[in-house]
Amino acid sequence: NAGVTQTPKFQVLKTGQSMTLQCAQDMNHNSMYWYRQDPGMGLRLIYYSASEGTTDKGEVPNGYNVSRLNKREFSLRLESAAPSQTSVYFCASSKGGPPYNEQFFGPGTRLTVL
Amino acid sequence: AQSVTQLGSHVSVSEGALVLLRCNYSSSVPPYLFWYVQYPNQGLQLLLKYTSAATLVKGINGFEAEFKKSETSFHLTKPSAHMSDAAEYFCAVSDKREYGNKLVFGAGTILRVKS
Repeated sequence: NAGVTQTPKFQVLKTGQSMTLQCAQDMNHNSMYWYRQDPGMGLRLIYYSASEGTTDKGEVPNGYNVSRLNKREFSLRLESAAPSQTSVYFCASSKGGPPYNEQFFGPGTRLTVL
Repeated sequence: AQSVTQLGSHVSVSEGALVLLRCNYSSSVPPYLFWYVQYPNQGLQLLLKYTSAATLVKGINGFEAEFKKSETSFHLTKPSAHMSDAAEYFCAVSDKREYGNKLVFGAGTILRVKS
């Protein structure tokens, strides 16, 4: 099992460009999440999908959109990138159900916006 | 709203010494609690979790954590540090009342192990 995979691993954008970060999991998990990680701030939730067909905003959703394409895939789109979106982005998945079920993380995408 | 405070953004210990990483949470209802570890340029990996079954929780790589409701704490310890423990550690909480199994993370503590 690959677990949670993310593409690309690295990306450099210019201000105003758009891009989509891809995430897929092969663990048959119901819930999926997108976080951003910035130094000294831990991980902050951007959007999540508690189950296939649903998406909800997290703590820092502005400037992002998501699509739960199917049970396996959850993409994050930046429509018009800004330097403030320079960060490391992590996708995670979880069985869902009881909130003590842990989340499993992908390796991350390092995004730089110039 | 829940929050997590990790005291000390950087902790330095000698190899073989005790590791103590502090985590305090703020929640009106005892939450579920997690410790994750992140090695350089990698994703996060679960070390251990508290699910109210036992207050002392043992995890991987010799780590353990004790849930103390009276102190709203969930500190992570390891009796003897190894060079391979050098990483960033995150404490996180999940509110059992909330939809979606969302996690709120602390800011992280970078552990340095000196030889």
